Amino acid sequence: DQQVKQNSPSLSVQEGRISILNCDYTNSMFDYFLWYKKYPAEGPTFLISISSIKDKNEDGRFTVFLNKSAKHLSLHIVPSQPGDSAVYFCAAPRNDMRFGAGTRLTVKP
Amino acid sequence: AAGVIQSPRHLIKEKRETATLKCYPIPRHDTVYWYQQGPGQDPQFLISFYEKMQSDKGSIPDRFSAQQFSDYHSELNMSSLELGDSALYFCASSSMLEGTEAFFGQGTRLTVV
Repeated sequence: DQQVKQNSPSLSVQEGRISILNCDYTNSMFDYFLWYKKYPAEGPTFLISISSIKDKNEDGRFTVFLNKSAKHLSLHIVPSQPGDSAVYFCAAPRNDMRFGAGTRLTVKP
Repeated sequence: AAGVIQSPRHLIKEKRETATLKCYPIPRHDTVYWYQQGPGQDPQFLISFYEKMQSDKGSIPDRFSAQQFSDYHSELNMSSLELGDSALYFCASSSMLEGTEAFFGQGTRLTVV
C-alpha cells in the first residue's frame, strides 16, 4: 500500500528552465512532507519541507507547493541547473518515512 | 555538526555468510530507519525503530533482523546471505518528538560473492 506516490519516473529539462516534480499522497492525516535529493551511491540529502498549515515554502531556487484538497505536492526548481540532476524523492514522516518511487531529473546544459 | 554514521562503509561477504551493519544516529534522535537500495533501484524501506522498539516493518526478509540499543544505535543483522542481497544499505535517523526531517548516513555497500 503505497501512500506516497511519484508517478513520473523521469523528467528532462533544459538548463535555465523550470523543473516541476510531482507527488501524490493518499492519507489525509499526513501533515508534513519532505523532499530529498539523491545522487548515485550517496545517501539522500534533505532538500525542503512543507507543513500542512502552509501551501507554499520557498528556499532559494526550490519551492514546494501543497494542495491539501487534491492531496498533491510539487517541487519547483527555478532555474534548473545541471548540478540538479539527481533522483528526487518525496516523503511523509508519518508514513514512517517511506519514500515515493522517486523521479530522476536530468538537466541538460 | 554530527551526522548519521554507518559502519562499515564497504563489506564483502560470501554466500551463506552473515553480516552486521551498524548505524549511529544523530545525538538526541530517537528514531532509526533502514533502507536497501539495489543496483538501479530506489531505496526500499526495511524496518524502523522508535525508542528502541520496532515501529514499522517493510520489505525486510526473514533472514534479516535488526534492533535498536539503549544508546540508540541500531544494527542490521543479515544471515544466509544471497547474491541478491548485494546493495547499498542506508540508515536514517530523526527525532519523532521534534518532528524533524530524517538525515541519512552515507550507506554501507554490501557485496555478496
